Amino acid sequence: DGGITQSPKYLFRKEGQNVTLSCEQNLNHDAMYWYRQDPGQGLRLIYYSQIVNDFQKGDIAEGYSVSREKKESFPLTVTSAQKNPTAFYLCASTQGQGVYSPLHFGNGTRLTVT
Amino acid sequence: AQRVTQPEKLLSVFKGAPVELKCNYSYSGSPELFWYVQYSRQRLQLLLRHISRESIKGFTADLNKGETSFHLKKPFAQEEDSAMYYCALDPTIQGAQKLVFGQGTRLTINP
Repeated sequence: DGGITQSPKYLFRKEGQNVTLSCEQNLNHDAMYWYRQDPGQGLRLIYYSQIVNDFQKGDIAEGYSVSREKKESFPLTVTSAQKNPTAFYLCASTQGQGVYSPLHFGNGTRLTVT
Repeated sequence: AQRVTQPEKLLSVFKGAPVELKCNYSYSGSPELFWYVQYSRQRLQLLLRHISRESIKGFTADLNKGETSFHLKKPFAQEEDSAMYYCALDPTIQGAQKLVFGQGTRLTINP
């Protein structure tokens, strides 16, 4: 069954600790994205990657880092520099350049930092 | 800067009544606009894309450049339409889809 898997579903961390959220896709999509969702707000783009070993900052990249070492994986690290890390994080993918495909989303990870 | 506004956080209508979810955008170019939907216990997924000019599940959306709006409409609401709806704008001509999302509207269809 093709799709995007985000793990874990819930994540709890102490303030000051870095934490990495996993996102894996078996859709053979080239592009992957990370969005953040806060209550009453729309999704905001954190980082995106159009191809392996390349990624770009989105609108709210400060305090986050990513890597794209494999086509199917796009982990997001929430660093201690992120001032308000508690949020719902969504990963998505699309087929890539030259071919339109809608965003395919994962089920999300809810991160709580105390 | 690009912005998408959905003025209604919550919208409740009775089954069989018409539905209109409002979406306004600000963008200087020619945007590509979308409606995404999240049903209970399901993932966020594309409902429709303005360029396709399709009707999906009875929903349509017309781009009005003069009013910078992309309202989602359905003439007769069904209970299964209850969901969270997001309007989104893609300002990029090509390449990655860097969508800008509205705040979302939770639609509830009452029996």
